[in-house]
Amino acid sequence: GEDVEQSLFLSVREGDSSVINCTYTDSSSTYLYWYKQEPGAGLQLLTYIFSNMDMKQDQRLTVLLNKKDKHLSLRIADTQTGDSAIYFCADRNQAGTALIFGKGTTLSVSS
Amino acid sequence: ETGVTQTPRHLVMGMTNKKSLKCEQHLGHNAMYWYKQSAKKPLELMFVYSLEERVENNSVPSRFSPECPNSSHLFLHLHTLQPEDSALYLCASSPEATSSYNEQFFGPGTRLTVL
Repeated sequence: GEDVEQSLFLSVREGDSSVINCTYTDSSSTYLYWYKQEPGAGLQLLTYIFSNMDMKQDQRLTVLLNKKDKHLSLRIADTQTGDSAIYFCADRNQAGTALIFGKGTTLSVSS
Repeated sequence: ETGVTQTPRHLVMGMTNKKSLKCEQHLGHNAMYWYKQSAKKPLELMFVYSLEERVENNSVPSRFSPECPNSSHLFLHLHTLQPEDSALYLCASSPEATSSYNEQFFGPGTRLTVL
């Protein structure tokens, strides 16, 4: 069945790099996504990667995709306290009609 | 602001009440979604509408009843809920339900508490 797995918590110090990992089961997706949820808000698209890419860089964000292992990661360089949030990895569902999300990784940044 | 609004933001209801959640999108999208977000569980897809037609219903109990009168509005009618239905209910929209690139735009959610 469809599944997206993430670790639940990550704690880092301000200025360090954060790496959030995700594994997924459906390998037919054309795109994979990272969403961010701040307290009291809905999810907002942070970045995405096309499935024929291994890496995508967007300012402080680096997305790595290993299709063979069905592993996706999000690296945040120079993590700031404002990066504290819940980060969700998302994949298409098999019906191709919606996204399926992991449980979310809560990133806590201490100063 | 994502262009997707939800009302009310908070709702407390008893198990015998009937209430409705409302979602409106101002983005000209054709697809709308309801998700349920509970603590320590993955986001659960509940319903998908494409051009006002329901295209997916993920084994959701009948005490949740969606309605999509037009492509800009989506409702979730609630009746005879259980305390375990307490959660954050998120609405989302996207340009199309079945396009390969499916960026979804989320509303802020309705925090529902069932007593």
